[in-house]
Amino acid sequence: GEDVEQSLFLSVREGDSSVINCTYTDSSSTYLYWYKQEPGAGLQLLTYIFSNMDMKQDQRLTVLLNKKDKHLSLRIADTQTGDSAIYFCAEILRSGYSTLTFGKGTMLLVSP
Amino acid sequence: DAGVIQSPRHEVTEMGQEVTLRCKPISGHDYLFWYRQTMMRGLELLIYFNNNVPIDDSGMPEDRFSAKMPNASFSTLKIQPSEPRDSAVYFCASSLKDTQYFGPGTRLTVL
Repeated sequence: GEDVEQSLFLSVREGDSSVINCTYTDSSSTYLYWYKQEPGAGLQLLTYIFSNMDMKQDQRLTVLLNKKDKHLSLRIADTQTGDSAIYFCAEILRSGYSTLTFGKGTMLLVSP
Repeated sequence: DAGVIQSPRHEVTEMGQEVTLRCKPISGHDYLFWYRQTMMRGLELLIYFNNNVPIDDSGMPEDRFSAKMPNASFSTLKIQPSEPRDSAVYFCASSLKDTQYFGPGTRLTVL
């Protein structure tokens, strides 16, 4: 079955690192994504990782993938108040139909 | 490219009225998706198209919901008649191959 799970809430102080975690159940996942949703806005693609990779770094963002444990994480270095948003983890399967399975989202609150 | 465009951004209507939501995908993308987001259910995939053809509409909640894609640059999601439980944010997304890009959404309120 397909299921993506995330913790619902994370609170950090400005300047600290944030780590948002996600677990998925389908080992057939080909791509795993992180989307960011600010209040009243749509989902913005942040980054993605192909399933044959362990890590991907993009400026302040680091994605780690542990395929054995089916665990995905997003680390945000030097977290800023503008990073406050809901972060969604999503997986796409090898079915070729391009449908994403989303987690419920993690609300990140960054305090000054 | 302007990204995925949705209109209207906000819609307030009364129960029983017809509502039409519109989407213009990113030029060149061959997949188009309609999602609904609520606090209770999160993001739900309603229907998606490939090359203007509906592929999977199993997420459409009821016969009151219908979606069309008459050409590669336009899609509509229609609710007739609308009910208060349809109140949600409706997103359109498009993709070329795997990565989906979302529009800003339409916030629908049915009174």
